[in-house]
Amino acid sequence: GENVEQHPSTLSVQEGDSAVIKCTYSDSASNYFPWYKQELGKGPQLIIDIRSNVGEKKDQRIAVTLNKTAKHFSLHITETQPEDSAVYFCAASWEAGTALIFGKGTTLSVSS
Amino acid sequence: GAVVSQHPSRVICKSGTSVKIECRSLDFQATTMFWYRQFPKQSLMLMATSNEGSKATYEQGVEKDKFLINHASLTLSTLTVTSAHPEDSSFYICSAQAGVETQYFGPGTRLLVL
Repeated sequence: GENVEQHPSTLSVQEGDSAVIKCTYSDSASNYFPWYKQELGKGPQLIIDIRSNVGEKKDQRIAVTLNKTAKHFSLHITETQPEDSAVYFCAASWEAGTALIFGKGTTLSVSS
Repeated sequence: GAVVSQHPSRVICKSGTSVKIECRSLDFQATTMFWYRQFPKQSLMLMATSNEGSKATYEQGVEKDKFLINHASLTLSTLTVTSAHPEDSSFYICSAQAGVETQYFGPGTRLLVL
């Protein structure tokens, strides 16, 4: 079955810096890759997603890149702000709407 | 749009009792709902997939007789933890999706079994 590895497990940056979180997946049939932000005591919130027919997607300060050949995808957050501090999860599935397999999460801390 | 609610948000119960958690899609019809479990500082682990009107599909290692799932309508799925024990204490989160669209998560339910 699918396995998703996520790095780093913790990431500390200064306000205004960029943050990059990387994930790799094992199943070449996977073609849907969402990223979720989870604040303490709350459910995950979708922040961006990408499908396999696209190599990059951007939404304001957030971007995701996908390399299907290497089976890895990354989340890029630019101009980080303290409110970006949260746990970020990558996930993969073989199509949108099927069960998601999650990475172990990255705790991002943005200090002002 | 795409709001998913859960009720209750937190529950404390005695060992041996049963607890029901509701998951509702408020502004869309969800053909499929998923139930996840999350321990502190860990990732989300899929427990089961439920399609409206049919039996849930459970992941390996999840006891279907202990975690009863009912998906009676396109906007409501329930998870009942039967004969709960302290080791069942966890954060339970549902997600809902319509057709092949993105999954939207509920806010989670914190269960504490004493």
